[in-house]
Amino acid sequence: DTEVTQTPKHLVMGMTNKKSLKCEQHMGHRAMYWYKQKAKKPPELMFVYSYEKLSINESVPSRFSPECPNSSLLNLHLHALQPEDSALYLCASSQRGGPGTSVYNEQFFGPGTRLTVL
Amino acid sequence: GEDVEQSLFLSVREGDSSVINCTYTDSSSTYLYWYKQEPGAGLQLLTYIFSNMDMKQDQRLTVLLNKKDKHLSLRIADTQTGDSAIYFCAESRSSSASKIIFGSGTRLSIRP
Repeated sequence: DTEVTQTPKHLVMGMTNKKSLKCEQHMGHRAMYWYKQKAKKPPELMFVYSYEKLSINESVPSRFSPECPNSSLLNLHLHALQPEDSALYLCASSQRGGPGTSVYNEQFFGPGTRLTVL
Repeated sequence: GEDVEQSLFLSVREGDSSVINCTYTDSSSTYLYWYKQEPGAGLQLLTYIFSNMDMKQDQRLTVLLNKKDKHLSLRIADTQTGDSAIYFCAESRSSSASKIIFGSGTRLSIRP
């Protein structure tokens, strides 16, 4: 199994809703990532988990809350989002990761969840 | 700084070669990547090059790196309609290989 899966594919939510995005990989990768991609823009890194511990938080607002329950799963909990948070949310994984990682490690991306906040 | 710059659009005729260019500012960049994103899909790593290399070839893809000018290019030979996508140049540094900085992306369109 060499893919990263993400659910749901599409999500529409109101500003008062609480929802979660899910990401799964079974490649034995120990680093997992959340990116946000606005239309016609490049992906922007949000969070990195390395060995199930949060290693990078790119000053993301607290209305986004990541969780890594085990080495195969990565969640992104959403609460009280704003319309400007509407974007494609991409998950990725790599064999290794985290600050100080000096070896090349390819990031495999999932297809993304397209989120619309009304 | 952490800037990676690309032109936004490129149009080529089917069967011709496509050359997508990228410049970066961080001289400590260690790994340089080309990713492809098709509409509605995630990113697919096409190829990468270490900063101590000048060239890498992989089937129809050729990557050239001019480290002095901080210029990276991706050449796609015999461009096909399936090559239509957005191509992102990206870089990371040995101090944090997890953090990839992406360029703005070049939209490649193929005309018959």
